[in-house]
Amino acid sequence: DAKTTQPNSMESNEEEPVHLPCNHSTISGTDYIHWYRQLPSQGPEYVIHGLTSNVNNRMASLAIAEDRKSSTLILHRATLRDAAVYYCILRELNSGYALNFGKGTSLLVTP
Amino acid sequence: NAGVTQTPKFQVLKTGQSMTLQCAQDMNHEYMSWYRQDPGMGLRLIHYSVGAGITDQGEVPNGYNVSRSTTEDFPLRLLSAAPSQTSVYFCASSPALRTGAGNTIYFGEGSWLTVV
Repeated sequence: DAKTTQPNSMESNEEEPVHLPCNHSTISGTDYIHWYRQLPSQGPEYVIHGLTSNVNNRMASLAIAEDRKSSTLILHRATLRDAAVYYCILRELNSGYALNFGKGTSLLVTP
Repeated sequence: NAGVTQTPKFQVLKTGQSMTLQCAQDMNHEYMSWYRQDPGMGLRLIHYSVGAGITDQGEVPNGYNVSRSTTEDFPLRLLSAAPSQTSVYFCASSPALRTGAGNTIYFGEGSWLTVV
């Protein structure tokens, strides 16, 4: 299964943009790139996903490299409520039931 | 729309006791799964189901049983609890993968289990 690599932790000031990187050099052509986040003492929640093109939604933007070997989750203005562990996950049609969450990136947001 | 509902939220068991963690979803999702999360770790898949009557093992299935008699419910059974099963358990559901690998996965709020 294709794996992802993320920094263990990142820190940001409130109201500043945050760029969370993810490397997935062994990604296959049918893998979707998903991002989930987990707030303290809660279950993971969906943030955004994409296949090839950059994606925007109300929570974040996802920038996907042209070769798809890396992606970046962008929080445009970090708030204290964005402090969470962010997971970059690859999901594909044939084996996407066994999601590999890894340890994710723990984002600290300071006022 | 309640989403994914897990019960109980907290439970303390003695070694050797059995119990069932309940999970229900009201979104008519075909796919349901159970994960466990140990301190400082990511989620690991225990068992999953792609539809009523169909279950399969995930990464860490030992010590757990599941069944899927209805689309809505996917209980996780611990037959003889061990301290190593102390963890936070999350149930998840989503539409079937055959409808697209971009489908969102919805998680419950978690069940905190301590085995003493």
